Amino acid sequence: NAGVMQNPRHLVRRRGQEARLRCSPMKGHSHVYWYRQLPEEGLKFMVYLQKENIIDESGMPKERFSAEFPKEGPSILRIQQVVRGDSAAYFCASSPANEYSNQPQHFGDGTRLSIL
Amino acid sequence: GQNIDQPTEMTATEGAIVQINCTYQTSGFNGLFWYQQHAGEAPTFLSYNVLDGLEEKGRFSSFLSRSKGYSYLLLKELQMKDSASYLCAVRSPSGGYQKVTFGIGTKLQVIP
Repeated sequence: NAGVMQNPRHLVRRRGQEARLRCSPMKGHSHVYWYRQLPEEGLKFMVYLQKENIIDESGMPKERFSAEFPKEGPSILRIQQVVRGDSAAYFCASSPANEYSNQPQHFGDGTRLSIL
Repeated sequence: GQNIDQPTEMTATEGAIVQINCTYQTSGFNGLFWYQQHAGEAPTFLSYNVLDGLEEKGRFSSFLSRSKGYSYLLLKELQMKDSASYLCAVRSPSGGYQKVTFGIGTKLQVIP
């Protein structure tokens, strides 16, 4: 019973390169959330997706960042032309439903992105 | 907007009891979650409250008062492995769906 799978665990990029972070939700989960966490800071919401739909991207910078959750395959968070300030831990979470439910979001182990 | 407040750091002694408080001001309320996060790891779900009162789960209990916008997480018989950050998160309606907003987390250090 695999949990939320994120890869890679660590990613190093040089300024100006592209970073692609992948997330496979738990089996049976169709709702995916991406969060960003800086050292000594809380989890900041970035984007909420269902299969083939972006529901809320209000926490995502308008430029350079994009996210998708295709019909087949994992959810992808893409950061183009990375800058030093993009260095952070990026967590993906999934849930079976979003409505009134005691079902929590389950988190992956995160991708630690370092920009040289 | 959504505002969730919790102390940034706490220290407690092994074997003791510690209470981590969380206050929130949100537009609507549909449940409060507590998560534990060890350094460098994923947050893991601890408890969920949607009605007023105390929910007990082993050494951990969580309390909610909706009228006061207040919750606490109670950890009993503290162990060294309980050293971690504890995140309070509130679910509330936002833009047609239920959005979960996280507090900054309380970093708990358990000392011998």
